[in-house]
Amino acid sequence: DTEVTQTPKHLVMGMTNKKSLKCEQHMGHRAMYWYKQKAKKPPELMFVYSYEKLSINESVPSRFSPECPNSSLLNLHLHALQPEDSALYLCASSQADRGPGELFFGEGSRLTVL
Amino acid sequence: RKEVEQDPGPFNVPEGATVAFNCTYSNSASQSFFWYRQDCRKEPKLLMSVYSSGNEDGRFTAQLNRASQYISLLIRDSKLSDSATYLCGNNRLAFGKGNQVVVIP
Repeated sequence: DTEVTQTPKHLVMGMTNKKSLKCEQHMGHRAMYWYKQKAKKPPELMFVYSYEKLSINESVPSRFSPECPNSSLLNLHLHALQPEDSALYLCASSQADRGPGELFFGEGSRLTVL
Repeated sequence: RKEVEQDPGPFNVPEGATVAFNCTYSNSASQSFFWYRQDCRKEPKLLMSVYSSGNEDGRFTAQLNRASQYISLLIRDSKLSDSATYLCGNNRLAFGKGNQVVVIP
């Protein structure tokens, strides 16, 4: 069983909707990440939070808005998305003091934008 | 040039055989590397971490060649359950496309 929990597992939304993806980790990690993955492509880094502060934002469109309420929770707010944003959104965490790279992923939220 | 590159394959390997594939990297600042296993429509799962020259865990062996800037993964005595995509990642949070392995009965 994964110790990084993502909800919802599946989400279908229209281009005018506002929705949120949620992620919670139970490992005491201090770094959390959002990745986007399309079919047969590698995961692409979107955001990094380290010690609850946004430390990396890979020039993601503003229709994606991350939020880190505390060290174990990470949300991704979605608004006015496009059909090309349909993908698997993966949350991950790592022990920040060991440096990034050894990532533990949630099962992902599969998003379809109509 | 992508920071981490992999030949997606597929790598078709008979059950019980050995398969090896490489991951090349372009940024010499990459200090450590990670192999993840990803099953179809599932999340990546950490398989092995490589902080120095290599690592071994059962049937899996990873070797890091800093001079030639590649890291390899070797799977011995392949099982049907080894069929998956193997993603290479670095400490800069970049991933390759993955090597797809298909173990054939």
